Amino acid sequence: GAVVSQHPSWVICKSGTSVKIECRSLDFQATTMFWYRQFPKQSLMLMATSNEGSKATYEQGVEKDKFLINHASLTLSTLTVTSAHPEDSSFYICSARGGSIQHFGDGTRLSIL
Amino acid sequence: ILNVEQSPQSLHVQEGDSTNFTCSFPSSNFYALHWYRWETAKSPEALFVMTLNGDEKKKGRISATLNTKEGYSYLYIKGSQPEDSATYLCAFDQAGTALIFGKGTTLSVSS
Repeated sequence: GAVVSQHPSWVICKSGTSVKIECRSLDFQATTMFWYRQFPKQSLMLMATSNEGSKATYEQGVEKDKFLINHASLTLSTLTVTSAHPEDSSFYICSARGGSIQHFGDGTRLSIL
Repeated sequence: ILNVEQSPQSLHVQEGDSTNFTCSFPSSNFYALHWYRWETAKSPEALFVMTLNGDEKKKGRISATLNTKEGYSYLYIKGSQPEDSATYLCAFDQAGTALIFGKGTTLSVSS
């Protein structure tokens, strides 16, 4: 079946570091991918919609200069958390729609010290 | 702000018990309702995509119903097994694009 690969799974880094997370659709093409974030005891919240070949669409309250999204091919979207700070520590997960189903990556646990 | 509510937040049952969870969602601009099963350290696994009012879907011991007019869906697990332990997420699909998630119901099944 359709699979979405996301890595890295875990990142621990110092404050001020930029972190790149990759999301790949392995056996289907995705013109649109989605990036979600989950804080403890909260629901998955959509951060942005990544569009192949064009600018991402960000949800209200999400800083586009802070969370850079690049969707350069039909199978790859990247999320870069620039100059990460402890408040950016969270669980980040991507998804891509294959038919009627949205398939998810395994997620990335980001911890900023 | 669109709100998706799931209850209960968590649930402990014994092996063999049957159980059910609730998902409530906005009743306007409905496109689809998704149920996922999410085990620790794995990606969410799609269980059902429900689109029609009155729809009922089944996958093994798990089934789900949908009422779009009143904005709720039930997920049922018959004869729970320890391997059913996971967080069950529902997600409201308004326009066939991004999903709006509830916080999930975490099920723990003891043997």
